[in-house]
Amino acid sequence: ELKVEQNPLFLSMQEGKNYTIYCNYSTTSDRLYWYRQDPGKSLESLFVLLSNGAVKQEGRLMASLDTKARLSTLHITAAVHDLSATYFCAVDSRGAQKLVFGQGTRLTINP
Amino acid sequence: EAGVTQFPSHSVIEKGQTVTLRCDPISGHDNLYWYRRVMGKEIKFLLHFVKESKQDESGMPNNRFLAERTGGTYSTLKVQPAELEDSGVYFCASSRGREAVEKLFFGSGTQLSVL
Repeated sequence: ELKVEQNPLFLSMQEGKNYTIYCNYSTTSDRLYWYRQDPGKSLESLFVLLSNGAVKQEGRLMASLDTKARLSTLHITAAVHDLSATYFCAVDSRGAQKLVFGQGTRLTINP
Repeated sequence: EAGVTQFPSHSVIEKGQTVTLRCDPISGHDNLYWYRRVMGKEIKFLLHFVKESKQDESGMPNNRFLAERTGGTYSTLKVQPAELEDSGVYFCASSRGREAVEKLFFGSGTQLSVL
């Protein structure tokens, strides 16, 4: 059974600092996704990582994928308050048209 | 273009009652998914429609849950009778035929509280 684990589950940090959220998954997968959710809002797609070594960046967020280690990271650079949200990683299991999500990381960035 | 719309946004019911959640996908999206997040845990897959057909309903918890998508447009998810453990946020998502999970658009969810 495919399992996805994120850590940390809660993260409180100061503006201007850097930090990384980790996402481990248990079996081979086709793609890895990062989503952001603001309270009461929909999940917003941030990144789709398709292959080993893939790296994508958007603003202060950068995601990478190591398929051999079954690990993805979401790195936050010089955090700002607007990045406060819950971040989810997800993978799609081979041959199945559905996503398996991690528990989510609730990120709070303090001014 | 309107996004995925879910109704209601919140529902509070008593144990044993019935609740029906509705999802309107983006127009033209054949794929429609239901997911659920319980008590701050991971978001879990419930089922997948392709047009009006159930493609995969392996995540449905039990027979108290019934999902329909008549005419391949909007979908409903009925819980009857509701139990305490059904509380959570129910998300709907949709995508075009070929893109399936790769380009999923999510709704804001329905927060269900069973008391």
